[in-house]
Amino acid sequence: ETGVTQSPTHLIKTRGQQVTLRCSSQSGHNTVSWYQQALGQGPQFIFQYYREEENGRGNFPPRFSGLQFPNYSSELNVNALELDDSALYLCASSFSGLAGGLTHVNEQFFGPGTRLTVL
Amino acid sequence: GQQVMQIPQYQHVQEGEDFTTYCNSSTTLSNIQWYKQRPGGHPVFLIQLVKSGEVKKQKRLTFQFGEAKKNSSLHITATQTTDVGTYFCAGLDSNYQLIWGAGTKLIIKP
Repeated sequence: ETGVTQSPTHLIKTRGQQVTLRCSSQSGHNTVSWYQQALGQGPQFIFQYYREEENGRGNFPPRFSGLQFPNYSSELNVNALELDDSALYLCASSFSGLAGGLTHVNEQFFGPGTRLTVL
Repeated sequence: GQQVMQIPQYQHVQEGEDFTTYCNSSTTLSNIQWYKQRPGGHPVFLIQLVKSGEVKKQKRLTFQFGEAKKNSSLHITATQTTDVGTYFCAGLDSNYQLIWGAGTKLIIKP
């Protein structure tokens, strides 16, 4: 096991609703990345948080937002849910070294994911 | 935008045959990571390659990073049933973001 936990494991929502997914990162890690994985596809990068600040964002609309807390745990919030938001949401924790900027991203440890179904 | 193309999408092999998956990036990568995802599971880190032309081995798995740091491959010798899953490459771009390939699914023929 990676030590990365996510909650809930499964969630069913209806279109237009809002959802919050949670992730606890591995001890010693300072970076959390969130991914959306549709069935049969590779993970799509949503955004990354480093030391409580968003440090990169993929091609996702603003209704996808996040937070990272001082203990490096994180939340992913999705507003105005759409049917296409149905997917496995993965959180990955890693340690990033800092030298004049975010210069080295190490291996990512994934949580088990949250399966979101939007009806 | 930056992309990492991974081929093939699927590979069916008899147990004992070899398996190879390839990744190509449109831009130079800082490093490339490989992950394996078992059916119903989450991606698990396998290895990271950083240097141009680097080759690393893990038992029956051989990973290569191209000289231009734009392509990479994973080769599995003599596949076993435990190798079943989807193999993803993920390249670190100039913005320190991991760009993932779509994955290659390894299927062992019965």
